[in-house]
Amino acid sequence: EDQVTQSPEALRLQEGESSSLNCSYTVSGLRGLFWYRQDPGKGPEFLFTLYSAGEEKEKERLKATLTKKESFLHITAPKPEDSATYLCAVSGYGGSQGNLIFGKGTKLSVKP
Amino acid sequence: DTEVTQTPKHLVMGMTNKKSLKCEQHMGHRAMYWYKQKAKKPPELMFVYSYEKLSINESVPSRFSPECPNSSLLNLHLHALQPEDSALYLCASRGDRANEKLFFGSGTQLSVL
Repeated sequence: EDQVTQSPEALRLQEGESSSLNCSYTVSGLRGLFWYRQDPGKGPEFLFTLYSAGEEKEKERLKATLTKKESFLHITAPKPEDSATYLCAVSGYGGSQGNLIFGKGTKLSVKP
Repeated sequence: DTEVTQTPKHLVMGMTNKKSLKCEQHMGHRAMYWYKQKAKKPPELMFVYSYEKLSINESVPSRFSPECPNSSLLNLHLHALQPEDSALYLCASRGDRANEKLFFGSGTQLSVL
């Protein structure tokens, strides 16, 4: 069964304090791993797609990496506006029929 | 245009009411989705339409009735809902390949009294 586990559930950082969010996954053949950012009461906003182990993508202060078992979202020198819930999701070739399996998310709070 | 537009943004309804949620996209996507999201939980898949045909129904109660009138529009008809159905309802669309990202709308925040 396809599964996604995110840690930590919540993370509090000071502005400028870099850190990483973890997404561990089990999937029957990975089609893609997706990172989304979600603000309260809003729909998820797409950040990155990663397709194969070793792949990395960057956008401003965010960098996503992928191994065969997990993905990390690295946040460098975060700002208060980076506060949000970060969702990881996978699409696999197995029972999920290619639809996204979401983790429970990591709620990030960045204090000035 | 890379937007998925959902209306209304907020909806309050009684348990005997009938209402509809609407979703529209003009990206030419042929896969469209309804998700339900409770507070502090990840989105839960409800329905998937592929080429305007219902392809997945995740055992959703019949008080939720989806409709895809054409390739750009997706509706969710609501009838006789329960207070526990209060949630953020998200629409999403995707291109033809299963490894493509989903584009989400901003959601409808539904409260059932």
